[in-house]
Amino acid sequence: SQTIHQWPATLVQPVGSPLSLECTVEGTSNPNLYWYRQAAGRGLQLLFYSVGIGQISSEVPQNLSASRPQDRQFILSSKKLLLSDSGFYLCAWSDRGRATYSYNSPLHFGNGTRLTVT
Amino acid sequence: KQEVTQIPAALSVPEGENLVLNCSFTDSAIYNLQWFRQDPGKGLTSLLLIQSSQREQTSGRLNASLDKSSGRSTLYIAASQPGDSATYLCAVRRSSGAGSYQLTFGKGTKLSVIP
Repeated sequence: SQTIHQWPATLVQPVGSPLSLECTVEGTSNPNLYWYRQAAGRGLQLLFYSVGIGQISSEVPQNLSASRPQDRQFILSSKKLLLSDSGFYLCAWSDRGRATYSYNSPLHFGNGTRLTVT
Repeated sequence: KQEVTQIPAALSVPEGENLVLNCSFTDSAIYNLQWFRQDPGKGLTSLLLIQSSQREQTSGRLNASLDKSSGRSTLYIAASQPGDSATYLCAVRRSSGAGSYQLTFGKGTKLSVIP
């Protein structure tokens, strides 16, 4: 069965420090990968998505970047954190399968990382 | 731009009651709608996915319906239990380019089932 791992679970970082959050998926190949941020009262916001190694699309301009160095690894980074980067970050995957049918694959989420920038 | 609304924001019911959670969306050009459950401090757990060609999906005590033309979905929970207490989110999927298939989420309904 497929599993998704996300770490760390919680993180407290000072303003201006770098950030690296990692997500890996097991039990599937060539998944679509996503980074979402959930802020209190604002719902989930899609930050980045990836349809393959090295292919990253950004949904909103921000202080963050993403990379996909391996098929099932997705990394969220920042060179210098801002106070506004605080939030709950969620990694997710969906089965890409054959492109024609992948849009009906459900999204599966990791347990999230609670980031507090102080 | 797709907007997803969930009303009410919070709901409290006594144990054993049947209940309905509502989700509405502004653009009916969707591929599917997915319902999730989120426990405090945790990630989202997928409950049901309804394809645009379907009217409903069932899993145990959960039944989700979809009326794409009116932009509405409901999640029906039968015989509610305290363990059902969580925030329930709906999300709709539409294509925004080859292979992307973004989801637009509602802000959720926080359900409390009182023993």
